[in-house]
Amino acid sequence: QQPVQSPQAVILREGEDAVINCSSSKALYSVHWYRQKHGEAPVFLMILLKGGEQKGHEKISASFNEKKQQSSLYLTASQLSYSGTYFCGTEDSSASKIIFGSGTRLSIRP
Amino acid sequence: DTAVSQTPKYLVTQMGNDKSIKCEQNLGHDTMYWYKQDSKKFLKIMFSYNNKELIINETVPNRFSPKSPDKAHLNLHINSLELGDSAVYFCASSQDRQGVVNEQFFGPGTRLTVL
Repeated sequence: QQPVQSPQAVILREGEDAVINCSSSKALYSVHWYRQKHGEAPVFLMILLKGGEQKGHEKISASFNEKKQQSSLYLTASQLSYSGTYFCGTEDSSASKIIFGSGTRLSIRP
Repeated sequence: DTAVSQTPKYLVTQMGNDKSIKCEQNLGHDTMYWYKQDSKKFLKIMFSYNNKELIINETVPNRFSPKSPDKAHLNLHINSLELGDSAVYFCASSQDRQGVVNEQFFGPGTRLTVL
């Protein structure tokens, strides 16, 4: 079952922060985050495994709450290069695959 | 060197035709995938192969047939193309361990337009 992402779209000014949420109705083994720029392929950002870990990638970090079956992606002091569509992908313990959410479109204005 | 490559990049064809998309990865990964991304940007898994063995076969019409001649290649053949097949098709690869999905590397995509 497809995870639910919110919001669907965000418009920020450069330097502002954003949070993108991802929730699933199934128990999760891991959550994956990808960014896709217009006309390009998705690019891996990070994987979070069950255990409630938090990870960072420059000014982009994420958390995973396995009890709530939710993950959040945090973008701080956003830069123009952060623009794109962010996808979360969830893996449940039996799947050997990730199911992607519908994406969150992030636009950064100068 | 391109990690995951796909050919062709663009494919325009008539309804009813048969076409193939090729994918190659030089990362030494064991697992390869095909995804379909429609006009609403939904990224949906179609198939996955691990060491040439079909692992995932989602509810995809029989007109779609993947083939993996070796673990570095995964091709997608589509018979009797329909308008609804128009989409961007992405190949991806990853080095998965014990069925756990790892970081996926995506190819540049093939934009298929069916007229």
